Amino acid sequence: AQTVTQSQPEMSVQEAETVTLSCTYDTSESDYYLFWYKQPPSRQMILVIRQEAYKQQNATENRFSVNFQKAAKSFSLKISDSQLGDAAMYFCAYRSGYNAGKSTFGDGTTLTVKP
Amino acid sequence: KAGVTQTPRYLIKTRGQQVTLSCSPISGHRSVSWYQQTPGQGLQFLFEYFSETQRNKGNFPGRFSGRQFSNSRSEMNVSTLELGDSALYLCASSLEAYTSYEQYFGPGTRLTVT
Repeated sequence: AQTVTQSQPEMSVQEAETVTLSCTYDTSESDYYLFWYKQPPSRQMILVIRQEAYKQQNATENRFSVNFQKAAKSFSLKISDSQLGDAAMYFCAYRSGYNAGKSTFGDGTTLTVKP
Repeated sequence: KAGVTQTPRYLIKTRGQQVTLSCSPISGHRSVSWYQQTPGQGLQFLFEYFSETQRNKGNFPGRFSGRQFSNSRSEMNVSTLELGDSALYLCASSLEAYTSYEQYFGPGTRLTVT
């Protein structure tokens, strides 16, 4: 079974600074996707960024980028120029290419942004 | 396009009762997945439906069941409620049952069992 581990329950960052959230996963599969989701206090889960395992290039979406280390099974999220609106719970998630409907989530990291 | 909608948003039930939660996916989406979110267990997969068929089921007791209708709307049912069933229940829809397609989450139904 696949597992996803987020070792940082809480992180804080100063507004306009950069922060990196860590995620490691365990799988024996070769076809999979990794995701970072943001869940603000309103509870709606929003996709931040995704990474296909077969792609070597790290995904980027504006201020959000990932460091995907496939051999190390590591998938960290970097948020640049942090904004107050980035404050939320962030979840790392794994989806198998063979089991599309099921996401396996980490326990989440609560990010606080200080003005 | 309207997002994923879940009804009701909040629900209070008594132990031993049963409850039905509803999820309407984004128009055109055929895959619906359900998750339970609790502070202690985090986000756990319940089941997935595609074209009215359950494709996958998580590790939950038989008290948890679901179904999907021909219009892709999905319901989940929990019978004989226990205090531990108190949780935020999220559904997510996807255009097709392939991992390359995004899952879009609804706002959730907050179930409190007393």
